[in-house]
Amino acid sequence: DVVMTQSPLSLPVTLGQPASISCRSSQSLVYSEGNTYLSWFHQRPGQSPRRLIFKVSNRDSGVPDRFSGSGSGTDFTLKISRVEAEDVGVYYCMQGTHLISFGQGTRLEIK
Amino acid sequence: QVSLVQSGAEVKKPGASVKVSCKASNYIFANYGMSWVREAPGQGLEWMGRISAYNGNTVYAQRFQGRVTMTVDTSTSTAYMEVRRLRSDDTAIYYCARDPPSTQAAGMLDYWGQGTLVTVSS
Repeated sequence: DVVMTQSPLSLPVTLGQPASISCRSSQSLVYSEGNTYLSWFHQRPGQSPRRLIFKVSNRDSGVPDRFSGSGSGTDFTLKISRVEAEDVGVYYCMQGTHLISFGQGTRLEIK
Repeated sequence: QVSLVQSGAEVKKPGASVKVSCKASNYIFANYGMSWVREAPGQGLEWMGRISAYNGNTVYAQRFQGRVTMTVDTSTSTAYMEVRRLRSDDTAIYYCARDPPSTQAAGMLDYWGQGTLVTVSS
């Protein structure tokens, strides 16, 4: 099984400041056809997860451009350029290359 | 807009079974698959498996094999997930999420249902 490890697990951020979450996989996420299936999800309290980023760096429709994804191989990062109040919640990375597995989640809160 | 609407909350006793439904709309159901993901209280997300709505093929996470069955009814665009021999640690919110049609394809989970709370308690 592919193990996904996120850090930090808790992320207090001041409004308007940047935030960054790291995600590492226990093996390469490059799929047989060359794509890398690493996604990021945001889950607000009491809501279903919502996908923000797919295939490392592609934003889903309606996702603000302050969210960006980067990385390759086994190391990936989600960045928020300027945190807003609506960004609170838990962020998960997910790999879809070797079946599916999630990171432990990173809880973002406003300082 | 793609919509996945799940069945309502359930309360079950240990050893019983539960079957959760997920009705899809506003896309061609048979062109996709459906994954199921659960979230236990205070825990993260755990993938349980996927079913192809195209041919009914399934792939399960190893820890759920033999205790979970996923099915689809293409006539009603509905996916089902049954868990047997329920234990207290199966208490969780169960989500359906759209996925590619092949069990061999990479996972995408682009749209999610609202979740179904299953409580297992004696």
